[in-house]
Amino acid sequence: GDSVTQMEGPVTLSEEAFLTINCTYTATGYPSLFWYVQYPGEGLQLLLKATKADDKGSNKGFEATYRKETTSFHLEKGSVQVSDSAVYFCALNAAGNNRLAFGKGNQVVVIP
Amino acid sequence: GAGVSQTPSNKVTEKGKYVELRCDPISGHTALYWYRQSLGQGPEFLIYFQGTGAADDSGLPNDRFFAVRPEGSVSTLKIQRTERGDSAVYLCASSLGGGGAETQYFGPGTRLLVL
Repeated sequence: GDSVTQMEGPVTLSEEAFLTINCTYTATGYPSLFWYVQYPGEGLQLLLKATKADDKGSNKGFEATYRKETTSFHLEKGSVQVSDSAVYFCALNAAGNNRLAFGKGNQVVVIP
Repeated sequence: GAGVSQTPSNKVTEKGKYVELRCDPISGHTALYWYRQSLGQGPEFLIYFQGTGAADDSGLPNDRFFAVRPEGSVSTLKIQRTERGDSAVYLCASSLGGGGAETQYFGPGTRLLVL
């Protein structure tokens, strides 16, 4: 079935450091790919998305490129801030479906 | 504008009891989804409504779980004979028309604790 795998464990880094969170997927056809973010005490909100191969989604300094050849959608940010501390979820919506399949999420902690 | 709202925000119940969780989607959104999120996990799909009908209920774990959306707007998730394993955050989301590339907008969730 359709699934998303995120790298294990929380991520702790210093302010202004470079952030990468890996995400790979398994799906039939051509899914749409999403990154959702959950800030402390808040609900899930869309960070960015890409709907076809080689598309790049971007928002708030974050970027992710839809790589069909490696079935990946890694999230990157060049210089993180303390306010980026949150849990980040990679998700896909497989073609023909109307449901999101989520990864387990990664807690990101940015220390001043 | 108003986002997706869910009530109650927290619900504590005893094993074996019946509970109802309510979701108010964004006005004009025809697609509505329920997910369940256990601690330390990503949300898991339960059911998808297009208008008043359940277009995909393949994620409902068993027949104790049921959901309705009688007028194509508000939805209620109903859990009968609750079990401790049902404890989780229940999330509702809505989207404009239901296409796979659409953004789903999530509510704050209902945290259910079954004692």
